[in-house]
Amino acid sequence: NAGVMQNPRHLVRRRGQEARLRCSPMKGHSHVYWYRQLPEEGLKFMVYLQKENIIDESGMPKERFSAEFPKEGPSILRIQQVVRGDSAAYFCASSLTSGDIQYFGAGTRLSVL
Amino acid sequence: TQLLEQSPQFLSIQEGENLTVYCNSSSVFSSLQWYRQEPGEGPVLLVTVVTGGEVKKLKRLTFQFGDARKDSSLHITAAQPGDTGLYLCAGERIGSSNTGKLIFGQGTTLQVKP
Repeated sequence: NAGVMQNPRHLVRRRGQEARLRCSPMKGHSHVYWYRQLPEEGLKFMVYLQKENIIDESGMPKERFSAEFPKEGPSILRIQQVVRGDSAAYFCASSLTSGDIQYFGAGTRLSVL
Repeated sequence: TQLLEQSPQFLSIQEGENLTVYCNSSSVFSSLQWYRQEPGEGPVLLVTVVTGGEVKKLKRLTFQFGDARKDSSLHITAAQPGDTGLYLCAGERIGSSNTGKLIFGQGTTLQVKP
């Protein structure tokens, strides 16, 4: 029974490139959450999605960031034209229902050179 | 402003000592969770507290939810080096439409020396 799978685990990008982070939720989970963690800080909510729908994107920066959770396949967090300040660990969590326990993946550590 | 304030932020103690980590807010939460995070890994859920005044025990760890559901504490008895890690409290605020959007504290880094 695989947990939440995120890939890649580490991603290095140069300024101006695009970063695509993938998250496969636990089997049977249709609710996905993305969080960002800066060094020495707690996690900050970014976006909450259900299959094919964005439910709450109140934590997403208005520009360059987008997220999707298609009917088939993993959830994708996309960062266009990355800047150094985007360097962080990005975590995905999934839950069975809205407000249920969230299970976290191991994260993707993005480094922008 | 940090909606959930954790204290202390850093704690270094000797094996066998007791410690308490606090998580405070001026907001009311429908529930609070405590997570532990190892370096390079994601947070792992330790416990969820839901009812005001609730106390839960997990071996040497005792979790308490304040009566007003605005604060929580984690107490570790006889700490061991294996307890070393980042401890995070998180919760969903009352009135947040029950979307599961979690607010996290900034974390407490615990180091237990043998």
